[in-house]
Amino acid sequence: DAGITQSPRYKITETGRQVTLMCHQTWSHSYMFWYRQDLGHGLRLIYYSAAADITDKGEVPDGYVVSRSKTENFPLTLESATRSQTSVYFCASNEGGSNYGYTFGSGTRLTVV
Amino acid sequence: GENVEQHPSTLSVQEGDSAVIKCTYSDSASNYFPWYKQELGKGPQLIIDIRSNVGEKKDQRIAVTLNKTAKHFSLHITETQPEDSAVYFCAASINNAGNMLTFGGGTRLMVKP
Repeated sequence: DAGITQSPRYKITETGRQVTLMCHQTWSHSYMFWYRQDLGHGLRLIYYSAAADITDKGEVPDGYVVSRSKTENFPLTLESATRSQTSVYFCASNEGGSNYGYTFGSGTRLTVV
Repeated sequence: GENVEQHPSTLSVQEGDSAVIKCTYSDSASNYFPWYKQELGKGPQLIIDIRSNVGEKKDQRIAVTLNKTAKHFSLHITETQPEDSAVYFCAASINNAGNMLTFGGGTRLMVKP
């Protein structure tokens, strides 16, 4: 199906474990973004990517790693999960240029116990 | 960097009444202001946006106004319906690479039938 999909929808992991959240878009959008959503903080940018092999930090990048070997995929890895990383994670994409609208995925609810 | 503040954090209205959500931004270079609606369990969805060369934009029951001098913009929903109940986010961006958005903290709108 066309669109932007995130997996898994729900994940429970233990403190210290590595976990990877997946994001896949079918539009060949240049830009992709990872946000986390926490009560009282709204949406905060973790990392973004302007194209394959080009990534940069956002507002809250500590404890996260991203890669983008292909335009359509933008995985987010928590190298050693902490309880403070319990959150809902949203991936988004954007064509860039004059089209500013973001399209968001449905989110991954991550719980670190 | 840009800072976006959104008020109120919660808003309860009677069906058929109007709802107004207000946002202020800090960076006078911001020139794009989208609004997103997030329904329970879903990702945010773009509902309307406005650029800095326009003062007002309407789309059926929703409208957005922008005051560049005061650096604030507002979302107006008229004739509210129960399906308008959701969390609404404002955002602002500067026309730089990545079109990165800075989001407000969100407003939970509840429309009582």
